[in-house]
Amino acid sequence: ETGVTQTPRHLVMGMTNKKSLKCEQHLGHNAMYWYKQSAKKPLELMFVYNFKEQTENNSVPSRFSPECPNSSHLFLHLHTLQPEDSALYLCASSQETGGSYNEQFFGPGTRLTVL
Amino acid sequence: GQNIDQPTEMTATEGAIVQINCTYQTSGFNGLFWYQQHAGEAPTFLSYNVLDGLEEKGRFSSFLSRSKGYSYLLLKELQMKDSASYLCAVMDSNYQLIWGAGTKLIIKP
Repeated sequence: ETGVTQTPRHLVMGMTNKKSLKCEQHLGHNAMYWYKQSAKKPLELMFVYNFKEQTENNSVPSRFSPECPNSSHLFLHLHTLQPEDSALYLCASSQETGGSYNEQFFGPGTRLTVL
Repeated sequence: GQNIDQPTEMTATEGAIVQINCTYQTSGFNGLFWYQQHAGEAPTFLSYNVLDGLEEKGRFSSFLSRSKGYSYLLLKELQMKDSASYLCAVMDSNYQLIWGAGTKLIIKP
């Protein structure tokens, strides 16, 4: 595997379900990100981890819970979601946070539908 | 607040040239990125500008004017595979990326 991978690619869940999204990066990076992408809206940064420590939480509802066990893996645990949470969830990684040239490498995303 | 503006959609003809504009108002500036995103795929990095002027990379060029809060992405010799969304993002004073909503580019034969 190369780059950034995400599983599952598609997920349909009810509002009472609990599910997890997984992201893995094979680039030796130290920073990982979760973004939400809704149609015709800018990418919304949700969480940032740098060297396994959470450095950003952009006022994300508690029904989204991130977990970063090591620099290569990132999870997003989902529970009691709302239909408006339906979106494409993108994971990204970069060498580390901070610094002006900080190219982020993205995974293909998980298309989430909440019924 | 911080804001990135770019057109929602543009249409161009195969073989032609198209310019996608991006204007920004952010708290500080530490560089501007352009990404390409094909439908159902990951965004991929195209270019980075931190100083004023033009950066050329093959068929793609990106321009920056910091005093005007303005950038454009220029695509030459358009190919059908260039049909995609183009995302403009600015790194602010906290080194956080602020994203535009993206410009969907449709290429017609």
